[in-house]
Amino acid sequence: EVQLVESGGGLVQPGRSLRLSCVVSGFSFDDYAMHWVRQAPGKGLEWVSGISWNSGVTGYADFVKGRFTISRDNAKNSLYLQMNSLRAEDTALYYCAKDKRGGMGTYFDYWGQGTLVTVSS
Amino acid sequence: DIQMTQSPSSLSASVGDSVTITCRASQSISSDLHWYQEKPGKAPNLLIYTASSLQSGVPSRFSGSGSGTDFTLTISGLLPEDLATYYCQQSYSIPLTFGGGTKVEIK
Repeated sequence: EVQLVESGGGLVQPGRSLRLSCVVSGFSFDDYAMHWVRQAPGKGLEWVSGISWNSGVTGYADFVKGRFTISRDNAKNSLYLQMNSLRAEDTALYYCAKDKRGGMGTYFDYWGQGTLVTVSS
Repeated sequence: DIQMTQSPSSLSASVGDSVTITCRASQSISSDLHWYQEKPGKAPNLLIYTASSLQSGVPSRFSGSGSGTDFTLTISGLLPEDLATYYCQQSYSIPLTFGGGTKVEIK
């Protein structure tokens, strides 16, 4: 059974940092690209960032470029999102999602349950 | 960036109705269009990939069509469990982008 379990969310002050993690099981993690997708309260889905199977290619939405960094550790079946200079508008439920392929950027065939990030003073 | 526009933003239909949701891309995206269902309180679930391919395990009442800039998701024979918000997503270019969503309610 494929499982993606996010952690690391919480309440953080504006300007501070947070690191999200996603541990996966049930598939060969190092064969697939992975992504972070977020959903602000009451809003739609937004792609945040993605990384290819071997970390060779990464991509970011404009609204997080220069502030967020995606990474992965294939030995630990883990995906990460380092979030710096957080803003109130980054408040959202952050999902970890598996790509259908290894190259970066197709569609998401499995999702985690999300971890909530709240940016507030 | 490629903008994805869904319509309508919400709809209400009766059990058994056929429902159509439209997604339009701001430029041609070939068939790189995918549909997701998000039920209340749950993570999104892939329904259709590459415009018209049904994801394994998804009921056959869901279907997709289109190419280029205009796409549709059809639910043939709406069921109460189809209460959800539906999103399209393009993978033609980075950044990947989603439509704004269509909320489907049951009359």
